[in-house]
Formats: sequence, structure tokens, C-alpha cells
Amino acid sequence: ETGVTQSPTHLIKTRGQQVTLRCSSQSGHNTVSWYQQALGQGPQFIFQYYREEENGRGNFPPRFSGLQFPNYSSELNVNALELDDSALYLCASSGVLAGNQETQYFGPGTRLLVL
Amino acid sequence: GIQVEQSPPDLILQEGANSTLRCNFSDSVNNLQWFHQNPWGQLINLFYIPSGTKQNGRLSATTVATERYSLLYISSSQTTDSGVYFCAVNLDGGATNKLIFGTGTLLAVQP
Repeated sequence: ETGVTQSPTHLIKTRGQQVTLRCSSQSGHNTVSWYQQALGQGPQFIFQYYREEENGRGNFPPRFSGLQFPNYSSELNVNALELDDSALYLCASSGVLAGNQETQYFGPGTRLLVL
Repeated sequence: GIQVEQSPPDLILQEGANSTLRCNFSDSVNNLQWFHQNPWGQLINLFYIPSGTKQNGRLSATTVATERYSLLYISSSQTTDSGVYFCAVNLDGGATNKLIFGTGTLLAVQP
């Protein structure tokens, strides 16, 4: 158990819909990162939030957006869902140290299927 | 961008066998982690090892940062070791602590 929780565990949506995924970080961690893992591939970095501000973004379109709350929990929002958005979405929490040297701990993920 | 390659891509072992998984990376890194992804998708932290050697039970890892590779050793493998093993790195000097994952090694341990 990493102490990182995600909800929901599974979700089915149709093309064009919007979805919100949630993540609660491990106690004492102030940074949350989101990753997308397509079937058969490694996770790909979407973005990171530190103290409620976006702190880096991967190669994902603007319809992927996020929030971080004062308690450091986070949401990932995806608008105008496409079939290729079907994937496992992983949230990771970490503290922040100088030089970005900090272990990331992952939640169990949310499996999203877009029909 | 940085390339992170793992070998072998697939590995089948009999229970009790030993194995070595390799991770090569093409640029300087300041963070390297090994993960085991179980069949339910959970990424389990194995090691945080930007350099040096660590051991945890039947698992050990060595990273030689100057030569840009890391090795994960699994001894006396068990069926519960099955799954996908990923190494992931963070670029040295990068502004964001984002992990770049390798291509993965799919391990199947047969009884």
C-alpha cells in the first residue's frame, strides 16, 4: 500500500463526453503527477501539480487539464473524449527536494474505456 | 529526448531461477526507480537507485550512472514475481520531477 488512492477504479464513457478522475496523495506529499498508460506500453507523463500550480506538462493536448486542492489531492479532467484516450490513468505523489530527487509513489489507477 | 531501453523485452523462468534485467538510458539522470507492475496495474516501488547498489530480500539493483545503465537482479524467483518490470528516470537538471519510463520487461515465472 502506497497511501495514494484513486477514484473511480473503472469508468466507461462515450466519445465526446467529459471525465473527471480523482487522486488523494500520500500524507506529507505536496506534489501530484498524472500518467497515462495505454495497453502494452509504459506510463507517459501528462502533467504535475505542486502547491496547486501546474509544474510541468508532457505532450498532451489542452483538453487534458487538472487541479490540485489545498489538501494536495488532485483531479484530472479530460474533455471531448476520443477512443485513443482509453487507458489506465495513474496518479503519483511525492515530496519535493532540491534537484527533483524524490521517490514517486503510485496509486492503483483508473481504467478508462471510451466507446 | 532521452531514450530508456530495457532488455530483455520478455522473459520466462522456472520457479527458483535467477534473472537479470537491464535498463539503459541515453542521458544523465538524477533519479532512477525500478517498479513492478502487477497484473492489476498497480505500480509497486522496488528501488530508488540513482547510483550504487541496494538489496531488498531476493531483489537487488545496481546503477552505474557514469555508464548510463541499471541492473535489477531477481534471485530464487517465485510465481508472484510475474508481471512487468519498468525502470523510470528523471533527467538531471530537469525543471520537473517527471518520470520517463522504459520499454518494460514482461516476466513470467512458471511453477
